[in-house]
Amino acid sequence: EDKVVQSPLSLVVHEGDTVTLNCSYEVTNFRSLLWYKQEKKAPTFLFMLTSSGIEKKSGRLSSILDKKELFSILNITATQTGDSAIYLCAHAGGTSYGKLTFGQGTILTVHP
Amino acid sequence: DTAVSQTPKYLVTQMGNDKSIKCEQNLGHDTMYWYKQDSKKFLKIMFSYNNKELIINETVPNRFSPKSPDKAHLNLHINSLELGDSAVYFCASSQVTYNSPLHFGNGTRLTVT
Repeated sequence: EDKVVQSPLSLVVHEGDTVTLNCSYEVTNFRSLLWYKQEKKAPTFLFMLTSSGIEKKSGRLSSILDKKELFSILNITATQTGDSAIYLCAHAGGTSYGKLTFGQGTILTVHP
Repeated sequence: DTAVSQTPKYLVTQMGNDKSIKCEQNLGHDTMYWYKQDSKKFLKIMFSYNNKELIINETVPNRFSPKSPDKAHLNLHINSLELGDSAVYFCASSQVTYNSPLHFGNGTRLTVT
């Protein structure tokens, strides 16, 4: 069975800090790895990674995938209180598109 | 606004009742999903439909029955509700490709008492 594990489970930082969130996976038939941010409601899409070593970047957030070591990281630089959320990592694979296997999430709290 | 919208946002009901959650998307996607998020925040897929056809049906009690009248709508009907059904149910949609991310609705928090 596909498995996605995130670490740490929770993280508390102060504004301005840089954080790195980890996601490791054990999956058959890898297709892509996705990162979502969940505040109080819907998970919102951040990144989709399909190739190793190619960094995806959006503002202060960036992510990279290592398909050899089976992990991905999400970096957030110069954190702000608005970055406080649950960050979810998910693998999309198998034979059915749309079947995402999610990790348990990392709860990030950014204090002013 | 273009979005995935689901109703109701909150649903509080007693054990044994039957309830429905509705979902609509106007993103032009052809695939829709139901995911369940439990108290530990794990999101797990329940069903997916592509153009009104059931594609994914995970190990879900048959008290749960999805219905898709058209590709923009996917409803979830739950019979004989149990305490363990309490969770947040998310509807999502995407295009039918492996490289199309899912877009989620805001969720329906179901509480069974």
